Amino acid sequence: DQQVKQNSPSLSVQEGRISILNCDYTNSMFDYFLWYKKYPAEGPTFLISISSIKDKNEDGRFTVFLNKSAKHLSLHIVPSQPGDSAVYFCAASGGGSQGNLIFGKGTKLSVKP
Amino acid sequence: NAGVTQTPKFRILKIGQSMTLQCTQDMNHNYMYWYRQDPGMGLKLIYYSVGAGITDKGEVPNGYNVSRSTTEDFPLRLELAAPSQTSVYFCASRKQGARMNTEAFFGQGTRLTVV
Repeated sequence: DQQVKQNSPSLSVQEGRISILNCDYTNSMFDYFLWYKKYPAEGPTFLISISSIKDKNEDGRFTVFLNKSAKHLSLHIVPSQPGDSAVYFCAASGGGSQGNLIFGKGTKLSVKP
Repeated sequence: NAGVTQTPKFRILKIGQSMTLQCTQDMNHNYMYWYRQDPGMGLKLIYYSVGAGITDKGEVPNGYNVSRSTTEDFPLRLELAAPSQTSVYFCASRKQGARMNTEAFFGQGTRLTVV
């Protein structure tokens, strides 16, 4: 049973526009959420995170929003660039996961010039 | 800064062979993890360790073994390779503690094919 779900396997966006990647979770005890970016043949790299005590965290072009009542988070990339084309994984921690990160299946973002 | 280093990067094994995937980190992180990623799937946790001498099973531990004799090293052992173990394996480490949340750092991965 998936605790972290990314229901969109892929997303295509025009360069300069906003990319919105979504993630849902089922465990209300999760208290820390992360986004990772992965290029082919490389390991995932950390992008941005948010604690459950916040509803927004911003870092340059990347903003993560957390809606605890809906058990939903989203990653906004503005403006999108071709170099952002990668697979994005949502992950969650806490709530009995023993410090482990529980990952979604990922969303492949393609940013077209 | 080396971070998390995995070796080898690629390996082809025959069914029934054994091998050890090496992972080392130089960040003095207490937590270490082994994940596998299959095509179209997310990262599934195989084993994890909260410190030297302590390991525990993750979501998909069957067919694997681990040890953690030092803070730095966390090798993953495949005893009898099976085609179902064809995957990309990632090692990760994290500084984790009570009331402390941090990101995990990943190695570059090991692509394993069992034929």
